[in-house]
Amino acid sequence: EVQLVESGGGLVKAGESLRLSCAASGFTFNSHAMNWIRQAPGKGLEWVSYISSGSSYRYYADSVKGRFTISRDNAKSSLYLQMDSLRAEDTAVYYCARATYPHYGDYWGQGTLVTVSS
Amino acid sequence: DIQMTQSPSSVSASVGDRVTITCRASQDISSYLTWFQQKPGKAPKSLIYAASNLPSGVPSRFSGSGSGTDFTLNISSLQPEDFATYYCQQYNSYPITFGQGTRLEIK
Repeated sequence: EVQLVESGGGLVKAGESLRLSCAASGFTFNSHAMNWIRQAPGKGLEWVSYISSGSSYRYYADSVKGRFTISRDNAKSSLYLQMDSLRAEDTAVYYCARATYPHYGDYWGQGTLVTVSS
Repeated sequence: DIQMTQSPSSVSASVGDRVTITCRASQDISSYLTWFQQKPGKAPKSLIYAASNLPSGVPSRFSGSGSGTDFTLNISSLQPEDFATYYCQQYNSYPITFGQGTRLEIK
């Protein structure tokens, strides 16, 4: 059974940092690209970042470029999101999701809540 | 960036009704479109991928169509568990973008 489990969320102050993790199981992690997607309270879905299976390609939303860094450790079947210089508008539930063609977004984690106080 | 515009933003319907939600892309995305269903407090669930493909386990009352810039999600006979928010997502190019969502409510 495919499972994605996020962790690392919490309450931080503006300007601080946080590192999210996503532990993958039930599939060959090193064969799949991954995304981070977030959802602010009561709002829609916003794509945050993408990383290819071998980490060669990484893309970011303009809203987080220069502040967030996506990475992965295929030996540990884990995905990460390092979030620096956090802002109040980064408050959201953060989901990791598979980026598999053609069924893009076939599996998502349950999400982890990040709250940034100003 | 590719803009995804969903309509309507909300719709009220009854059990047994047929509902159609549309999604328009600001440029050609071929068939690189997924439809998601999201219930309160839960992660999105994929309903349709590559514009018209039904994943295993998704009821056949859900169907998708379209290519290029215009796409449709149809629910043929609403069930109580279908009342949720629906999003389209394009994955033709980065940044990945979502529609603003369609809230399906019970009439």
